[in-house]
Amino acid sequence: QSALTQPPSASGSPGQSVTISCTGTSSDVGDYKSVSWYQQHPGKAPKLIIYEVNKRPSGVPDRFSGSKSGNTASLTVSGLQAEDEADYYCSSYAGRNNYVFGTGTEVTVL
Amino acid sequence: QLVQSGAEVKEPGASVKVSCKASGYTFTDYYVHWVRQAPGQGLEWMGWINPNSGDTHYAQKFQGRVTMTRDMSISTAYMDLSSLRSDDTAVYYCARAIPAATFDPWGQGTLVTVSS
Repeated sequence: QSALTQPPSASGSPGQSVTISCTGTSSDVGDYKSVSWYQQHPGKAPKLIIYEVNKRPSGVPDRFSGSKSGNTASLTVSGLQAEDEADYYCSSYAGRNNYVFGTGTEVTVL
Repeated sequence: QLVQSGAEVKEPGASVKVSCKASGYTFTDYYVHWVRQAPGQGLEWMGWINPNSGDTHYAQKFQGRVTMTRDMSISTAYMDLSSLRSDDTAVYYCARAIPAATFDPWGQGTLVTVSS
């Protein structure tokens, strides 16, 4: 099972938007509505920010949104804030009880 | 909440057992997954355990080396990794799985260092 492909880095100025892609295959991202996104600050555990492609857990700002088209899922962070600077990972169910994470994207707020 | 055991230092070839104690919810209602992160690297899914039945499923990469168990009486899941190598040095996380591949919350992580 290969990791989902994410860009290594993304950046934006405060107030701008940044979109991160997560590309898989028809056997994972493309086949299930089971894509989630996690935010990880240095030295901390990952935190769930999007689940089931586009749902936000309670307490996650609506600046975070998710979508999916074909084999690619996307996370958009609107109105970038300094605290959004972190690593972001996507995850998907991959069939046959297996799961897979993305390669991770480091977001920098300029 | 998931609280994991403390950091471990092991020699190559040894085994390590990491614990993950659940609180604040019914332990047997949700699967527990294990994920690791090598230094400076991304997240790597290792497998899951159904705390209710004890059923497990492991990523192909770890089959034969990993064993996941649980003790329902103390709401604790365990991950045992054997034949440790230097590239097993990583932070190991447990996470509760809500249906549809949603991991929340996560434990605080356990650093396992493999070094002679």
